Amino acid sequence: KNEVEQSPQNLTAQEGEFITINCSYSVGISALHWLQQHPGGGIVSLFMLSSGKKKHGRLIATINIQEKHSSLHITASHPRDSAVYICAVGDTDKLIFGTGTRLQVFP
Amino acid sequence: EAGVTQSPTHLIKTRGQQATLRCSPISGHTSVYWYQQALGLGLQFLLWYDEGEERNRGNFPPRFSGRQFPNYSSELNVNALELEDSALYLCASSFRTSADTQYFGPGTRLTVL
Repeated sequence: KNEVEQSPQNLTAQEGEFITINCSYSVGISALHWLQQHPGGGIVSLFMLSSGKKKHGRLIATINIQEKHSSLHITASHPRDSAVYICAVGDTDKLIFGTGTRLQVFP
Repeated sequence: EAGVTQSPTHLIKTRGQQATLRCSPISGHTSVYWYQQALGLGLQFLLWYDEGEERNRGNFPPRFSGRQFPNYSSELNVNALELEDSALYLCASSFRTSADTQYFGPGTRLTVL
């Protein structure tokens, strides 16, 4: 069993839909990261969470430490949101990555 | 402010050769991380350097090595290249530990023929 599990693996949506990507982990962590990877490989760090909820524009990330679960929400999705979204959990000296969720948003 | 930079963008080598990949962190960041993303696989942690010392390494053979220079830039060396070393190698930097936000470079795509 992977230490970080993401679901779904693939997700398609129509422009404007509300998107939720889930991440569950089984290890103790100091922080959880949500990353976005566009075709070509470039990675952008979206959020780093250790508790509660963070919002940036149309993106919202939540974490429940007790349940070892995090969600990434995208409101009013847009084709430019199409990318792979990766959950990563950090302990003191490394990140452990989920396998990613491939999101495609169609106009 | 300049982001994390990596060079070269692409690198083509043959089996048995050595590859050297370079990374310059964001100014002020002392930690540099190396990750491997093989085709169809997720990101795997390779190495972490902080203040010039190797702090941790992932589950990779010793032919993967590196160093961090006094200016906090870093090199990743891969010796005795194998076909399965073909991957995107990503470097990230942060202020101190993985508990801080990591900023990723654009990556070096290594192809081993």
